[in-house]
Amino acid sequence: EIVLTQSPGTLSLSPGERATVSCRASQSVSSTYLAWFQQTPGQAPRLLIYGASRRATGIPDRFSGSASGTDFTLAISRLEPEDSAVYFCQLYGSSRWTFGQGTKVEIK
Amino acid sequence: QVQLQESGPGLVKPSGTLSLSCTVSGDSINSNSWWTWVRQSPEKGLEWLGEIYHSGSTNYNPSLRSRVTISLDKSKNQFSLRLTSVTAADTAMYFCVRVVYESDSTLFDYWGQGTQVTVSS
Repeated sequence: EIVLTQSPGTLSLSPGERATVSCRASQSVSSTYLAWFQQTPGQAPRLLIYGASRRATGIPDRFSGSASGTDFTLAISRLEPEDSAVYFCQLYGSSRWTFGQGTKVEIK
Repeated sequence: QVQLQESGPGLVKPSGTLSLSCTVSGDSINSNSWWTWVRQSPEKGLEWLGEIYHSGSTNYNPSLRSRVTISLDKSKNQFSLRLTSVTAADTAMYFCVRVVYESDSTLFDYWGQGTQVTVSS
């Protein structure tokens, strides 16, 4: 079973700053199946990035994703107050979809 | 606009069976999508339960395979989840999701709002 480890657990930044969220997979898998989601309180997760670096429909270009081996990164440039949320990575492997434990991004 | 809406009991007794339905609007169950269940709890985080295609083909999380069944009701444009022998560990928010598999990517693009299920006597 693939384990996804996200870091940091919480990120506290000011508006306009850049946020970087990391996700490390316990084994090598195709980045084709790597996605990032945003979840705000009381809401369902929202697809941000799929295929490691492709933005979903309607997602601002402030959000970007990248991959290097088993390491995946979500970057949010020019943070805005509405970016305050929990961010999850997701990956397919070992016959199942697995999610990371989440990174909370707080806007000061 | 694609919308998914979960429905079902919010309280299930231990050792009982959890049954939920998801009504799809704005898309057909017969489309080229996989209809999926995901749950979320503070203890386990987000957990993929399984998926079904309009042909009836299914895939389940290996850790839950013996207890999970996902089925279709095409006449109602719905799909359903059945989870047997539930325990307190199955208490979670349950989401239904549309998943589109493309040649080089996969999109969990539309989610229901979720329904809370508590396992308790």
